[in-house]
Amino acid sequence: DVKVTQSSRYLVKRTGEKVFLECVQDMDHENMFWYRQDPGLGLRLIYFSYDVKMKEKGDIPEGYSVSREKKERFSLILESASTNQTSMYLCASSSTGVSTDTQYFGPGTRLTVL
Amino acid sequence: GQNIDQPTEMTATEGAIVQINCTYQTSGFNGLFWYQQHAGEAPTFLSYNVLDGLEEKGRFSSFLSRSKGYSYLLLKELQMKDSASYLCALRGFKTIFGAGTRLFVKA
Repeated sequence: DVKVTQSSRYLVKRTGEKVFLECVQDMDHENMFWYRQDPGLGLRLIYFSYDVKMKEKGDIPEGYSVSREKKERFSLILESASTNQTSMYLCASSSTGVSTDTQYFGPGTRLTVL
Repeated sequence: GQNIDQPTEMTATEGAIVQINCTYQTSGFNGLFWYQQHAGEAPTFLSYNVLDGLEEKGRFSSFLSRSKGYSYLLLKELQMKDSASYLCALRGFKTIFGAGTRLFVKA
């Protein structure tokens, strides 16, 4: 079974703090994604990566950056957290070689910025 | 661009059948996903439609009509554990998700 893990289930940070969210997958997937999920808005793509050291902006990249130094790990960074970044953050991975390109999701990190 | 619409909430009775609709406006896509998400958990894959028509998988079926810009997820013999959000998503260069439909199954 594919396993996608995220470093924290719940996180509370203060405005202006630098925040790191870590995601690790164990299935050698090429593609990794970071989404945020807010009520009524669904899943919105922040950044994604198709290969090591490669990144692409999603629909809402402002205020975020990412790092992919190893194939299995994709990190989301909030350089200076703000209250409007309070949200559920979901990481996902998928394999390019599979026709359905199904995304497998981690359990999510609920981030609260005070 | 791509715009996906789903009803916000639906309620159905245990043992019944429910249809969750998804309409979209898009210039092109490879296929359409349905995911299930229980409260506080990650979305999990249910189905993927590429061609028009009905795909059946146990109690769940998914339908796609590209010409009508329309898909639905059909859940039969509803169980209490089916209470969850159901997300419709279009696969193109990026996968775009709808806001989801919260389904409440009552006894």
